[in-house]
Amino acid sequence: NAGVMQNPRHLVRRRGQEARLRCSPMKGHSHVYWYRQLPEEGLKFMVYLQKENIIDESGMPKERFSAEFPKEGPSILRIQQVVRGDSAAYFCASSPLQGFRNEKLFFGSGTQLSVL
Amino acid sequence: AQKVTQAQTEISVVEKEDVTLDCVYETRDTTYYLFWYKQPPSGELGFLIRRNSFDEQNEISGRYSWNFQKSTSSFNFTITASQVVDSAVYFCALGGTASKLTFGTGTRLQVTL
Repeated sequence: NAGVMQNPRHLVRRRGQEARLRCSPMKGHSHVYWYRQLPEEGLKFMVYLQKENIIDESGMPKERFSAEFPKEGPSILRIQQVVRGDSAAYFCASSPLQGFRNEKLFFGSGTQLSVL
Repeated sequence: AQKVTQAQTEISVVEKEDVTLDCVYETRDTTYYLFWYKQPPSGELGFLIRRNSFDEQNEISGRYSWNFQKSTSSFNFTITASQVVDSAVYFCALGGTASKLTFGTGTRLQVTL
């Protein structure tokens, strides 16, 4: 059973370009979470999605950032017109149930975004 | 609001020493969950343990043990007989009724020979 798959592992963009980060949850998981880790900091919640629905986007910047989890295919975190401050590691996690009643919340290996 | 404090930014020990990583949390939820994750230099975030607020039993898994004390809002993690492979950043995290985790800032553990 494959784990949470994130790609690309590393992504380099120039200021003003768009960044698309992909996350394929574990098989059977319909809940996806995105977190951002700035250098030397802990992970910060960004958004929680179920299939075709955004449940909680309270941690998402209001501009330039968007997320989706379509009926088919991976979840996508999209950052438009990237700036240097967007450089961070972006982690995706998935779970089969809402909340933490399940035993574990599995994280992917992350995407390291570098903005030049 | 939820908060997790890991006061120890960095700890260095010599192999075979025991080491305890502290975690103090704040929450108004009566039902909540506490986690520890390990992030080695490669960057992946590996799950170590999940504990719910109704279960204060301490847990031991090999060289790892966890001490959950609601009275002091702490969930400390001890590594016995540390090894070089234990070198990593360790994160404590808190989950409540909302479906998101609040992470501490992490403790970097360096184990040397």
